Amino acid sequence: EDQVTQSPEALRLQEGESSSLNCSYTVSGLRGLFWYRQDPGKGPEFLFTLYSAGEEKEKERLKATLTKKESFLHITAPKPEDSATYLCAVQARGSARQLTFGSGTQLTVLP
Amino acid sequence: NAGVTQTPKFRILKIGQSMTLQCAQDMNHNYMYWYRQDPGMGLKLIYYSVGAGITDKGEVPNGYNVSRSTTEDFPLRLELAAPSQTSVYFCASSYGTSGGASYEQYFGPGTRLTVT
Repeated sequence: EDQVTQSPEALRLQEGESSSLNCSYTVSGLRGLFWYRQDPGKGPEFLFTLYSAGEEKEKERLKATLTKKESFLHITAPKPEDSATYLCAVQARGSARQLTFGSGTQLTVLP
Repeated sequence: NAGVTQTPKFRILKIGQSMTLQCAQDMNHNYMYWYRQDPGMGLKLIYYSVGAGITDKGEVPNGYNVSRSTTEDFPLRLELAAPSQTSVYFCASSYGTSGGASYEQYFGPGTRLTVT
């Protein structure tokens, strides 16, 4: 059974204080690992897809990395508008592309 | 493009009532999904479809039904609503092929359902 565990559950940062979110996963053959951002009362918004260990992707203050067992979402010099819940999900080979989600990390960036 | 749209945004049902949650996408995606999200939990897959006329169960299908008569629409039916079905429901769609490629899913804004 595919599993995704995210830590920490919640993280409070001061504006400009860099940090990382963790996503540990077990999957029977990884097709892709996805990061989403979810604002309160809204649907998840796609951020990144990572396919293989060693891969990295960046978007503004966010950088996602992938190893064979976990992924990190690094947030550099965050701003209050980065406050959201960040969700990690995996897609297994042989599946109909359905995603298995972690429970998310709720990030709050204080001004 | 409107992307993925869902109606209604909010609904309160009494125990035993039925309703249909509507989902439509205008991106010509062949794959569509229904998830539910409970507080503090990840999204759980209810049903999915890989094309018109083809549907299959996900992780938590009990109490729900789906149909897919067109590429654009993927309604979710709740029969005999129960308090355990109180949740936020998200519809998603993605491009998909029979090969090994992976494509991101695009989500709708959600329907917040309360069963009392």
